[in-house]
Amino acid sequence: ELKVEQNPLFLSMQEGKNYTIYCNYSTTSDRLYWYRQDPGKSLESLFVLLSNGAVKQEGRLMASLDTKARLSTLHITAAVHDLSATYFCAVDKDDKIIFGKGTRLHILP
Amino acid sequence: EPEVTQTPSHQVTQMGQEVILRCVPISNHLYFYWYRQILGQKVEFLVSFYNNEISEKSEIFDDQFSVERPDGSNFTLKIRSTKLEDSAMYFCASSEEGGGAGGELFFGEGSRLTVL
Repeated sequence: ELKVEQNPLFLSMQEGKNYTIYCNYSTTSDRLYWYRQDPGKSLESLFVLLSNGAVKQEGRLMASLDTKARLSTLHITAAVHDLSATYFCAVDKDDKIIFGKGTRLHILP
Repeated sequence: EPEVTQTPSHQVTQMGQEVILRCVPISNHLYFYWYRQILGQKVEFLVSFYNNEISEKSEIFDDQFSVERPDGSNFTLKIRSTKLEDSAMYFCASSEEGGGAGGELFFGEGSRLTVL
């Protein structure tokens, strides 16, 4: 059974700081997704990582994938308040895409 | 920009009643999904659907649940006899390609179901 684990589950950080969210998964998969969810809202796709060593960047967010280690990271550079949200990683297995529990990110001004 | 639309946005029902949640996926997408999320917690996979049949389903998706694509546009989730624990936000998603092909999921805004 595919398990997807994120850590930390909650992160409070100051504006301007850097931090990394980690996503581990239990079975072989070459595709990983990161989503953002604002409170009471839907899920917004941030990144689709399709191969080992993939790195994608959008603004202050950068995601990477290491399929050998079954690990993805979402790095936040010089955080700003607008990045406060819950971030989910998700891994596909056949026709299921399984989500981690999410990391609730709170950025303090 | 094409989007996934869901109705109703919020439904309140009595325990034991049948509920149908409706979704209109993005028009050229072929893979359809239902997920649920209880109180902003984990996003749980329910079912995936392709070529007019279920591809995968989770343990949550028991005999009380069914999905249907009754016409070329709608994709519905039916809960036959709702329980209190079915209260959740239900998200529909669609994808141009399936999970095995790295298909990115596009989510609707969700239907909040409250079972009293």
